[in-house]
Amino acid sequence: NAGVMQNPRHLVRRRGQEARLRCSPMKGHSHVYWYRQLPEEGLKFMVYLQKENIIDESGMPKERFSAEFPKEGPSILRIQQVVRGDSAAYFCASSKTPQETQYFGPGTRLLVL
Amino acid sequence: AQSVTQLDSHVSVSEGTPVLLRCNYSSSYSPSLFWYVQHPNKGLQLLLKYTSAATLVKGINGFEAEFKKSETSFHLTKPSAHMSDAAEYFCVVSATGNQFYFGTGTSLTVIP
Repeated sequence: NAGVMQNPRHLVRRRGQEARLRCSPMKGHSHVYWYRQLPEEGLKFMVYLQKENIIDESGMPKERFSAEFPKEGPSILRIQQVVRGDSAAYFCASSKTPQETQYFGPGTRLLVL
Repeated sequence: AQSVTQLDSHVSVSEGTPVLLRCNYSSSYSPSLFWYVQHPNKGLQLLLKYTSAATLVKGINGFEAEFKKSETSFHLTKPSAHMSDAAEYFCVVSATGNQFYFGTGTSLTVIP
């Protein structure tokens, strides 16, 4: 039973480019969460999605960041026109229901040059 | 509102001695509490969770934590540290289910 999968594991972008981070939840999980971990800090909630719906995006920056979880395929976190401050580890988690434990993927480490 | 305070950013112990990682929480509701471990450049692994059942929770790798409502604490302990325990540990609180609030982490060093 595969866990949460994220790709790419490492991503390098130049300032102004777009970054696309993908997350495939565990089998049977329909709830996906994205978190950002800045250097030397804990994880900060960004967004919570169910299939085709954004449920809570209170942690998302207002500009340049968007997320989706289509009916088919992985959840995507998209960062447009990246800046150096976007360099961080981005973790995805999934759960069966909102009340159950969230299981985390290995993360995508984004470096903006 | 929910929040978590991990009282120590770094803890060093000798191999074979007890481990204590401290966590205090704040929650407006009956919380669920978790401890996750993160090894270098790896994802987070769930160690244990508390969800209003027994106040003493046993997790993997010999770790356990005790929920103390009167002290709003959920400290993580292990009787005897192993070299493989060296990692970053995060205390997490969730009250509404969909949002997890992470502490800033405690880095555990195990000295041989």
